[in-house]
Amino acid sequence: GENVEQHPSTLSVQEGDSAVIKCTYSDSASNYFPWYKQELGKRPQLIIDIRSNVGEKKDQRIAVTLNKTAKHFSLHITETQPEDSAVYFCAAIRPPSGGSYIPTFGRGTSLIVHP
Amino acid sequence: NAGVTQTPKFQVLKTGQSMTLQCAQDMNHNSMYWYRQDPGMGLRLIYYSASEGTTDKGEVPNGYNVSRLNKREFSLRLESAAPSQTSVYFCASSEGGGYAYNSPLHFGNGTRLTVT
Repeated sequence: GENVEQHPSTLSVQEGDSAVIKCTYSDSASNYFPWYKQELGKRPQLIIDIRSNVGEKKDQRIAVTLNKTAKHFSLHITETQPEDSAVYFCAAIRPPSGGSYIPTFGRGTSLIVHP
Repeated sequence: NAGVTQTPKFQVLKTGQSMTLQCAQDMNHNSMYWYRQDPGMGLRLIYYSASEGTTDKGEVPNGYNVSRLNKREFSLRLESAAPSQTSVYFCASSEGGGYAYNSPLHFGNGTRLTVT
């Protein structure tokens, strides 16, 4: 099955700095890669996603890049703010076989932005 | 439009007691999931239901059972709770399946379960 590795597990930055979180996946058939943000005590929520037919996607201060050859994708947050402090999860999904699919999540990165 | 609704929000059980976590979605999604979240372990899939009438085991199914009651509702049952089941449980749904496989998951607010 799919295996997703996420690094680092903890990331501490100063406000205004950039933050990068990296994930690698094992199944070359995976072609959808969402990122979720989970604030303390809250539910995970989708912040950005990318499909394998593109190499990069941006949404204001957030961007995701995908390298299909190397099987890794990254989340980039620029001009970090204290409200960016949260746990971030990456996931990889492949087309279904037998009618269903299962998203595989990384173990999460705790991002701390110091004012 | 409430999205994914989970009940209860908090629960304390004694070892050996049973309970059912309820989940309902109003987005007409096909697929539903139950995850548990433990510190440092990320989100681990317990069971999922690709469509109404089907359920399958995930990564950590032992000690749990599920029921896809209809398209909206997917419940998780602990028959005999153990301290190792102390966790935060999240229900999620997605359009799922077929050409909608690359659709994001929508999570409920979670249930914090403590087993003493």
